[in-house]
Amino acid sequence: DIVLTQSPGTLSLSPGERATLSCRASQSVSSSSLAWYQQRPGQAPRLLIYGASSRATGIPDRFSGSGSGTDFTLTISGLEPEDFAVYYCQQYGRSQWAFGQGTKVEIK
Amino acid sequence: EGQLVESGGGLVQPGGSLRLSCAASGFIFSSFELNWVRQAPGKGLEWISYIGGTDNTIYYADSVKGRFTISRDNAKNSLYLQMNSLRAEDTAVYYCARQITMIIMARVGHAFDIWGQGTMVTVSS
Repeated sequence: DIVLTQSPGTLSLSPGERATLSCRASQSVSSSSLAWYQQRPGQAPRLLIYGASSRATGIPDRFSGSGSGTDFTLTISGLEPEDFAVYYCQQYGRSQWAFGQGTKVEIK
Repeated sequence: EGQLVESGGGLVQPGGSLRLSCAASGFIFSSFELNWVRQAPGKGLEWISYIGGTDNTIYYADSVKGRFTISRDNAKNSLYLQMNSLRAEDTAVYYCARQITMIIMARVGHAFDIWGQGTMVTVSS
């Protein structure tokens, strides 16, 4: 089974700063099924990025995704107050979906 | 755009059963694959089950295989999760999520684009 490892576990940054979140797969995966989600406290997850680099409907362009093979990155170019949340990567493979353990982006 | 609303959560004793429902609106229900995802208190997301739109292809995570049953009623725009032999470790918020399938650079891709608000299941004596 594919295991997704996200780093860092927690990212402490100030509003306006750039956030770089990593998602590493235990084996090479298809970029077409690599997605990123944002979860704010008490809310359901929200799709941000699909296909490793395509923004979902309504997602601001400060969010961008990149990567291929085993290494994927979510970048938030300038943190807004509402961006402080937990972020998960997700991958589909062999009739299973896997989530990373999450990266919490907190206010420094 | 579409909405999903879960119901049926609650407190149940270990070994007991519970049936969750997910009511859909605002989209052609039968055209979409659906999933259940859960989140234990203070923990991350765990995918647990998938069902196809009309072919009823079904997958389960190993953690629930043999205990949970996913089903859907396209006439009622509803998704279900029958949970039997519940354990303390099944305590979680359970979300239903709509799956979208797209072609990206000639390859098939998937993501969960609509999520319900979740329903809490607590397994405790």
